[in-house]
Amino acid sequence: NAGVTQTPKFQVLKTGQSMTLQCAQDMNHEYMSWYRQDPGMGLRLIHYSVGAGITDQGEVPNGYNVSRSTTEDFPLRLLSAAPSQTSVYFCASSLGRVNTEAFFGQGTRLTVV
Amino acid sequence: AQSVAQPEDQVNVAEGNPLTVKCTYSVSGNPYLFWYVQYPNRGLQFLLKYITGDNLVKGSYGFEAEFNKSQTSFHLKKPSALVSDSALYFCAVRDEMDTGRRALTFGSGTRLQVQP
Repeated sequence: NAGVTQTPKFQVLKTGQSMTLQCAQDMNHEYMSWYRQDPGMGLRLIHYSVGAGITDQGEVPNGYNVSRSTTEDFPLRLLSAAPSQTSVYFCASSLGRVNTEAFFGQGTRLTVV
Repeated sequence: AQSVAQPEDQVNVAEGNPLTVKCTYSVSGNPYLFWYVQYPNRGLQFLLKYITGDNLVKGSYGFEAEFNKSQTSFHLKKPSALVSDSALYFCAVRDEMDTGRRALTFGSGTRLQVQP
């Protein structure tokens, strides 16, 4: 069982570059989300999706785009990387009901120089 | 708006002693509460959740948590700590009223250090 798979695990970008973080889940979960983890701040929601074709903004969406063309995939795009986007990024999925737990990927550690 | 507070950045405990990691929350409606653990360079792993019913919830690896509605708390506990329990622990909440966004709100995390 793969669960939630994120690629890449590590990435270094130069300021202004763009890139896409990939996320795929094989549990047929309708709800998917992206978080960033920064020291002392816990995890903050960037974007989320309640199903294929539906996305919305979380707490910290600026500088990021998402799309959800299939149930399985939920890529996160950094449009023009900035040092403030240096963080660890986690993708999560769940069945979508408010009382269900989320399953997390292994994370992508991104450094913007 | 929903929020979670974990008042301790770090908790130190000796192996074999009981441990408690504290969490308090704020929501508009009834809370759905979760605990996750993160080992170094890994994703978050689900430990346990409170949805309704018995205030004492049992989870993975011998952990349990006690829901206290009057104190708006959901403290994580274990009767006897192991060195392998050393990790970063996150409390999270969803508000039952948040049927739209359905996002988890996380606390800032508590690092548990168990000394041999």
